Amino acid sequence: QSALTQPPSVSGSPGQSVTISCTGTSSDVGSYNRVSWYQQPPGTAPKLMIYEVSNRPSGVPDRFSGSKSGNTASLTISGLQAEDEADYYCSLYTSSSTVVFGGGTKLTVL
Amino acid sequence: EVQLVESGGGLVKPGGSLRLSCAASGFTFSSYSMNWVRQAPGKGLEWVSSISSSSSYIYYADSVKGRFTISRDNAKNSLYLQMNSLRAEDTAVYYCARGRELFDYWGQGTLVTVSS
Repeated sequence: QSALTQPPSVSGSPGQSVTISCTGTSSDVGSYNRVSWYQQPPGTAPKLMIYEVSNRPSGVPDRFSGSKSGNTASLTISGLQAEDEADYYCSLYTSSSTVVFGGGTKLTVL
Repeated sequence: EVQLVESGGGLVKPGGSLRLSCAASGFTFSSYSMNWVRQAPGKGLEWVSSISSSSSYIYYADSVKGRFTISRDNAKNSLYLQMNSLRAEDTAVYYCARGRELFDYWGQGTLVTVSS
């Protein structure tokens, strides 16, 4: 199973924008749009924020956006708010019908 | 309202067995693939296993293949995970999650601790 690489941590001040990257290979992220992003505040279950690279489920603020360039998918949070402080995980549905998660990124709102 | 409620976690000795359950409500359970995802204390998410809506397709992570068995009972709106030959590294919160390529609903998790 492939590995997805995320930065361990990112930070930003309220109102700023931050971007979290998720890097795979040309065989996975680079070839398919089955990338999702999840938000997990401390002590809670994960919540789907983005699916198929750039689609937002109903109820997710439009401050959250997703994109992909080459082998790297990205989650951008604009207009950062204190409530956005959480761990963020990317995931990929692979060609083998399995799922792999990135290692997670801790977002700190300064 | 979609609800997923896990149960069955607890303390078990290495080499032991445990069966987790996930009770689903608020949606047509038989129409969706389901998954188990775990999270070791202080660590990231790890996908464990998935099962298609009719149980025709089942997949496992390499780390649990041969030891864990996923199943479902659509008449009871329930998902299960039979865990055998448990190891210390299986200690984690186990979540059930709905979906195939993406997981749009998650339960609150049940803690499994493998320790002597």
